[in-house]
Amino acid sequence: EAGVAQSPRYKIIEKRQSVAFWCNPISGHATLYWYQQILGQGPKLLIQFQNNGVVDDSQLPKDRFSAERLKGVDSTLKIQPAKLEDSAVYLCASSLIGGLAQTYTQYFGPGTRLTVL
Amino acid sequence: GQQLNQSPQSMFIQEGEDVSMNCTSSSIFNTWLWYKQDPGEGPVLLIALYKAGELTSNGRLTAQFGITRKDSFLNISASIPSDVGIYFCAGSSGTYKYIFGTGTRLKVLA
Repeated sequence: EAGVAQSPRYKIIEKRQSVAFWCNPISGHATLYWYQQILGQGPKLLIQFQNNGVVDDSQLPKDRFSAERLKGVDSTLKIQPAKLEDSAVYLCASSLIGGLAQTYTQYFGPGTRLTVL
Repeated sequence: GQQLNQSPQSMFIQEGEDVSMNCTSSSIFNTWLWYKQDPGEGPVLLIALYKAGELTSNGRLTAQFGITRKDSFLNISASIPSDVGIYFCAGSSGTYKYIFGTGTRLKVLA
């Protein structure tokens, strides 16, 4: 079974530029998550989708971050304009979700390392 | 955002030694997950725990869901150099949302 795919793996941009990240979850997983992981910290949830609807975006800085999951499969996360403090690893995760606790288990992609200069 | 407390923050051990780490929360959780993250990679799921008191093994790794439901423990027996990495716990109160720990950085000296 293929895992969560993310691209690009690395991105370097200058502040005030825009950037987009792509994620393809595990086949059949209804729920998709975007996390931000700053160096030395654990992942912090930015947004969660169930199918193509947003379930939780309470920690997403909506003035500059946006995300979409058209057709309930792939997702993109965009930052516009980027700030220095956005330098981090952006992780995508997916889970099955179907009532049993086991279906909430999250599986992560390799992440995209963003450096903002 | 909230993060769980993991202890120790980092540790150096000799190859062959056993390792213990724990994760504590001020909230009750229904699920605990343990992940390992290598440099430049995403977290990889090691063990999932779904019931208070549960003890689950995965090779040399053993994790326990604390009876109080506010803590969890991970043990690694007979450590080897490839155990190097950052270990994260994550807890959920029964919904989709997981809160992650601050991480335990493990270095194994050959």
